[in-house]
Amino acid sequence: AQTVTQSQPEMSVQEAETVTLSCTYDTSESDYYLFWYKQPPSRQMILVIRQEAYKQQNATENRFSVNFQKAAKSFSLKISDSQLGDAAMYFCAIWTGNQFYFGTGTSLTVIP
Amino acid sequence: EAGVTQSPTHLIKTRGQQATLRCSPISGHTSVYWYQQALGLGLQFLLWYDEGEERNRGNFPPRFSGRQFPNYSSELNVNALELEDSALYLCASSFVGYYEQYFGPGTRLTVT
Repeated sequence: AQTVTQSQPEMSVQEAETVTLSCTYDTSESDYYLFWYKQPPSRQMILVIRQEAYKQQNATENRFSVNFQKAAKSFSLKISDSQLGDAAMYFCAIWTGNQFYFGTGTSLTVIP
Repeated sequence: EAGVTQSPTHLIKTRGQQATLRCSPISGHTSVYWYQQALGLGLQFLLWYDEGEERNRGNFPPRFSGRQFPNYSSELNVNALELEDSALYLCASSFVGYYEQYFGPGTRLTVT
């Protein structure tokens, strides 16, 4: 079975600062993908970034980057130069070929 | 390009009744996934349909069922509603079994 753990229910960051959201996972699969999704108050889930487990290089998407530590089964999301529009619930997820497993989410507040 | 659509936006039912939720995938996508997002529990995988067939099912009782139509739209049925079924139900679509899923805005089901 797969599990995804997000140990920070809530986080806050000052506008323009950097924040890191933590995620750990467990899987017995050798081939999987990791994701961060964002869910703003409007409820629409939006893909932020993904990481293929077989790639050693950390994925980057504009102000969003990940720190993927495969041996430690850790997958944190770093948001640089935080903006008010980054305020949302962030979910970490793992895809193992036939379904997603999601964490319980981290609510991010951006302080002006 | 139209995104994933879901209807209705909100649904209020009484315990013991049946609820029907609908989802239209992005054009070209054949897979539809259903998730339950209960408060504080993240997203729980419910069902995956592709080409009209149920491909995978999460750990939910049989009173959660659905189907996929020839045009790839899908319907989720929840029978004998219980109070704990109150949640946001999200639908996502993708190319068959592909990890890049696009989510709809969700249906908020409230059971009283």
